[in-house]
Amino acid sequence: LAKTTQPISMDSYEGQEVNITCSHNNIATNDYITWYQQFPSQGPRFIIQGYKTKVTNEVASLFIPADRKSSTLSLPRVSLSDTAVYYCLVRDAGNNRKLIWGLGTSLAVNP
Amino acid sequence: DGGITQSPKYLFRKEGQNVTLSCEQNLNHDAMYWYRQDPGQGLRLIYYSQIVNDFQKGDIAEGYSVSREKKESFPLTVTSAQKNPTAFYLCASTDREGRRNEQFFGPGTRLTVL
Repeated sequence: LAKTTQPISMDSYEGQEVNITCSHNNIATNDYITWYQQFPSQGPRFIIQGYKTKVTNEVASLFIPADRKSSTLSLPRVSLSDTAVYYCLVRDAGNNRKLIWGLGTSLAVNP
Repeated sequence: DGGITQSPKYLFRKEGQNVTLSCEQNLNHDAMYWYRQDPGQGLRLIYYSQIVNDFQKGDIAEGYSVSREKKESFPLTVTSAQKNPTAFYLCASTDREGRRNEQFFGPGTRLTVL
């Protein structure tokens, strides 16, 4: 069975780069790895997804090594509004490609 | 605007009552999902549906029921058999159960049992 592990919480300051790593084993070979952001009492919002190597969009970068056993979400120059919970999402290699959510990393950005 | 709507935003229920949470999407997505989220915890899958008139149990289906009579609608009923129903409920949809897992979420319904 696939399993994901993320840090429970992280602290940062405005303007710093933040890297959040999700470890995931036994994930589906052909599926993408996806990251979401969630604010209190709201639904999660898609940030970025990737399959291998590096992907960058206007808000984040995602680094995935060749073995795909982890992925690192990179938030450049965070601001107070980036304070949120961040989740990784993968699919199990077996178990009917079941969706596996990480437990989330609570990021606190301080002034 | 395309998106997912959930109603109501807040719901209060007396013990022993069934309640139904609404989820509608106009994204023309095939797959829809219901999640439960408890304070400080991640998302747990209740039910999902990949196509009209078909749905599958997730990890915590006991005490819940769903229907998928229309592509755009996936209501969730929380029955009296659910022992601890107070939680935040999220509905989501995806274009298809493919390699890309971009799920679009609704704003959520917070259910409180009195």
